[in-house]
Amino acid sequence: GENVEQHPSTLSVQEGDSAVIKCTYSDSASNYFPWYKQELGKGPQLIIDIRSNVGEKKDQRIAVTLNKTAKHFSLHITETQPEDSAVYFCAPTSDSGGGADGLTFGKGTHLIIQP
Amino acid sequence: EPEVTQTPSHQVTQMGQEVILRCVPISNHLYFYWYRQILGQKVEFLVSFYNNEISEKSEIFDDQFSVERPDGSNFTLKIRSTKLEDSAMYFCASNRDRPNTEAFFGQGTRLTVV
Repeated sequence: GENVEQHPSTLSVQEGDSAVIKCTYSDSASNYFPWYKQELGKGPQLIIDIRSNVGEKKDQRIAVTLNKTAKHFSLHITETQPEDSAVYFCAPTSDSGGGADGLTFGKGTHLIIQP
Repeated sequence: EPEVTQTPSHQVTQMGQEVILRCVPISNHLYFYWYRQILGQKVEFLVSFYNNEISEKSEIFDDQFSVERPDGSNFTLKIRSTKLEDSAMYFCASNRDRPNTEAFFGQGTRLTVV
């Protein structure tokens, strides 16, 4: 099965600064790379995803970069705001199995935005 | 905006009792999932359901767990004889048309076994 590592486990940045969270995975068949944000008391919510035929994807202040050779992908948040404070999970996935496999989440990164 | 709804939001049960957690996935979605999250830990996959049957299940999903889609809208998770270690947040999720697309999660049910 997929072995997923996320770093750092906690990240504290000043409001307005950038934050980067890295996710490494083991399954070379992984071809879908989402990032989920979980706010306190809520379920995870997809914020950005990328597929293995693309190296980078950007959506306003959020971007994801993928290095398939090194088997890692990263979440980049620029101009951080207080509402970015949350736990972020990566969940690299392969659909090669053909079944409706569930997501294998990383352990999460607690992002704290200091005012 | 369509959303996944879960009831109850919090359930307290005695050890050994049966509990049923309920979910209403988004209406045109085809893939359904249960996940659990022990306090402060990562979200863990339990089971996936497609075409009215279990598609995949994890090691956590043992014989005390079962899922059902009794009608066209509800999706339930039953835990037959709860243990203290079943205390967790349980999330229901659904995908529209294939697994490797956005999964929409409900707000979760906090299960406390005492």
